[in-house]
Amino acid sequence: RKEVEQDPGPFNVPEGATVAFNCTYSNSASQSFFWYRQDCRKEPKLLMSVYSSGNEDGRFTAQLNRASQYISLLIRDSKLSDSATYLCVVIGNYGGSQGNLIFGKGTKLSVKP
Amino acid sequence: EAQVTQNPRYLITVTGKKLTVTCSQNMNHEYMSWYRQDPGLGLRQIYYSMNVEVTDKGDVPEGYKVSRKEKRNFPLILESPSPNQTSLYFCASSESRGIEGYTFGSGTRLTVV
Repeated sequence: RKEVEQDPGPFNVPEGATVAFNCTYSNSASQSFFWYRQDCRKEPKLLMSVYSSGNEDGRFTAQLNRASQYISLLIRDSKLSDSATYLCVVIGNYGGSQGNLIFGKGTKLSVKP
Repeated sequence: EAQVTQNPRYLITVTGKKLTVTCSQNMNHEYMSWYRQDPGLGLRQIYYSMNVEVTDKGDVPEGYKVSRKEKRNFPLILESPSPNQTSLYFCASSESRGIEGYTFGSGTRLTVV
């Protein structure tokens, strides 16, 4: 089983739609969780951290379910500028890779007018 | 401006010709890391460093070397590049083993012919 798995998409949605991305991780020792956004051929940029209590930043809501080892990202009222690849990222504190970011392969979102 | 600076942005080289990709951060971060990104494989860690003179292998270290003589710099060295090292490379830094998320450089697109 891969360490971090995401649906690769692409998700093609109209402007204004609500879209949800899901991610599962395999190692229960993972301790920190993030969503990153990556535009084509650009560097990944931190979108938001994910906490057990859930967190919201404007149109974006992230949730973590430790029991199910599952992370989600919800985008409401999607904009054209939300088109990007969304990377689910997990940090473990195990083995020799303390602090290592483990990336999912990303889910591509395309928002159409 | 807080940033991670990579150079060069683009590089085409020939097999076997040693090269160095530089990475510098101005945030006094302890933790630095190198990733490569390939289609269908996502971002994979090459090497990381938890502080000056402390480096360790990531998931795909073969064919690469790094050094951390100063806190701000973390160069990636390819002693004898091969075509399978053609990739998009990202340097990243973090204050606290990635717990607060990473800041990425703009990337180096390397082609080895």
